[in-house]
Amino acid sequence: AQRVTQPEKLLSVFKGAPVELKCNYSYSGSPELFWYVQYSRQRLQLLLRHISRESIKGFTADLNKGETSFHLKKPFAQEEDSAMYYCALSSGGYNKLIFGAGTRLAVHP
Amino acid sequence: DGGITQSPKYLFRKEGQNVTLSCEQNLNHDAMYWYRQDPGQGLRLIYYSQIVNDFQKGDIAEGYSVSREKKESFPLTVTSAQKNPTAFYLCASSFQGRAGELFFGEGSRLTVL
Repeated sequence: AQRVTQPEKLLSVFKGAPVELKCNYSYSGSPELFWYVQYSRQRLQLLLRHISRESIKGFTADLNKGETSFHLKKPFAQEEDSAMYYCALSSGGYNKLIFGAGTRLAVHP
Repeated sequence: DGGITQSPKYLFRKEGQNVTLSCEQNLNHDAMYWYRQDPGQGLRLIYYSQIVNDFQKGDIAEGYSVSREKKESFPLTVTSAQKNPTAFYLCASSFQGRAGELFFGEGSRLTVL
């Protein structure tokens, strides 16, 4: 069965510290992985996708098939990064998206 | 102004009543989705539709029903059979085959009294 696991409900860091939001997945096929973000009082929105290998707002994520992980990283956290982050897996012929439980990132001044 | 609109934002329902949540998009997307968001459980897929007049059950379809009569609209009915309907409901849309790139509505919060 396809599953996305985000082991941390809350990650609390100080401004300027490195951030790593963990995501592990289980999927028998070739996965497409994504990170979504929901800022306070805003809609849930796509942050980045593994196939584009892009850096968005200083965040990067590398797909590690050996460890079945897709951790989200940022070298220096900013207060505006405080939000709810969801890791997601596209499966079923890329017809639906399965989400993890989410991790709340709190960046303190 | 292109986007995806959900209504109502807040809805109260008595036990035993059915309620319908509206979702409309003008992004010309083929696919539409309904998710339920509960604290600590993330988003769980209720139903999804790739084309008009066709839809599939997601992981938690019991107690819900949908229709897709128009490309722009995908209403969700929460029936009295849903045992725990109080939740935040999110509608999303995407181009067909691009389920990873979802555009979300602002959500509807349903409270059963």
